[in-house]
Amino acid sequence: EAGVAQSPRYKIIEKRQSVAFWCNPISGHATLYWYQQILGQGPKLLIQFQNNGVVDDSQLPKDRFSAERLKGVDSTLKIQPAKLEDSAVYLCASSSRLLGTGELFFGEGSRLTVL
Amino acid sequence: AQSVTQLDSQVPVFEEAPVELRCNYSSSVSVYLFWYVQYPNQGLQLLLKYLSGSTLVESINGFEAEFNKSQTSFHLRKPSVHISDTAEYFCAVSKETSGSRLTFGEGTQLTVNP
Repeated sequence: EAGVAQSPRYKIIEKRQSVAFWCNPISGHATLYWYQQILGQGPKLLIQFQNNGVVDDSQLPKDRFSAERLKGVDSTLKIQPAKLEDSAVYLCASSSRLLGTGELFFGEGSRLTVL
Repeated sequence: AQSVTQLDSQVPVFEEAPVELRCNYSSSVSVYLFWYVQYPNQGLQLLLKYLSGSTLVESINGFEAEFNKSQTSFHLRKPSVHISDTAEYFCAVSKETSGSRLTFGEGTQLTVNP
């Protein structure tokens, strides 16, 4: 079974530029998460999707971050314009369940460096 | 809201020594508890989880964790570590009502030296 796929693995941009990250979850997983992991910190939830609907985006900085999952499968996270403090690893995870005790499966992450 | 505190940011140990990685949580509702491991340049992987029942849970590679409700702790232990256990370990919690939406601690870097 293929795992969670993310791209690109690494991205370096100047501040005020834009960037997009892509995630393809495990086949059949209805729930998808984007987490931000700043160096030396634990992952922090940005947004949670159930199929193509947003369940929780309360921690997403909506003035610069956006995310979509139009067909309920793969997802894109965009940052526009980027700030220095956005330098982090962006982790995508998927789960087969919205509620209950479903395990989260993580991709390898997309490392963003903002100069 | 729930929160997780991992009491040690770095734990260096020698090979074959025992180790304990400490985790405390705070929540006003019932929770599920997890330990995830992140090897260098890899994604997070589930190590073990407590959902209900026996308060002692084990992983396939010799780690165990005990849920202590009175002390709101979920410490991770291994009686004898290997070089290959070197990784970052994250404790995480989710509310029973929100299932797999996880709140993570800051992580503990375990370094096993020969």
